[in-house]
Amino acid sequence: DVKVTQSSRYLVKRTGEKVFLECVQDMDHENMFWYRQDPGLGLRLIYFSYDVKMKEKGDIPEGYSVSREKKERFSLILESASTNQTSMYLCASSFRQYSGNTIYFGEGSWLTVV
Amino acid sequence: AQSVTQPDIHITVSEGASLELRCNYSYGATPYLFWYVQSPGQGLQLLLKYFSGDTLVQGIKGFEAEFKRSQSSFNLRKPSVHWSDAAEYFCAVDYWSDFGNEKLTFGTGTRLTIIP
Repeated sequence: DVKVTQSSRYLVKRTGEKVFLECVQDMDHENMFWYRQDPGLGLRLIYFSYDVKMKEKGDIPEGYSVSREKKERFSLILESASTNQTSMYLCASSFRQYSGNTIYFGEGSWLTVV
Repeated sequence: AQSVTQPDIHITVSEGASLELRCNYSYGATPYLFWYVQSPGQGLQLLLKYFSGDTLVQGIKGFEAEFKRSQSSFNLRKPSVHWSDAAEYFCAVDYWSDFGNEKLTFGTGTRLTIIP
């Protein structure tokens, strides 16, 4: 079974703190994604990585950065957390070869910024 | 630009009744289409996907979806729902970025409630 593991399920951080969300996948997938999920807005892509050290902005990258130093690990960084970044964050991964590959999701990280 | 519309925010169905969740997409090329399900507090799981060929696609848990190009729709159906089907359902379409990378764009989701 494919496993995408998000290290923290629930976090509470203060405004202005630097926040790291970590994600690891065990299927040797080239692609990794960070989505944000909010009620009524569905899933919105923050950043995407298609190889080690390679990244591409998604639809809502402002206020976020990412790091992919190893193929299995993709980190989302909030440089200075703000209350409007309170949300559910979902990591996902997929193969890059061919088209229409299934994307596999982690269980999500609930972040509250106070 | 690609987009996905799920017009129903919330649907309530009696257990044993049939179900249809609507999805409309906008995409210039022949789309790859997906349905994902999210149980409370969990990540998303793939139900089914359409690439080409037969327009009726079978998925897991007894779900099916029909691709209708003329209506730009990809509706999800189940003949008889079970209480365990209560979840949020997301429709998604594949697209390629300006840099040639493949991604998904999701609809806003439909929350399904099952009543006894």
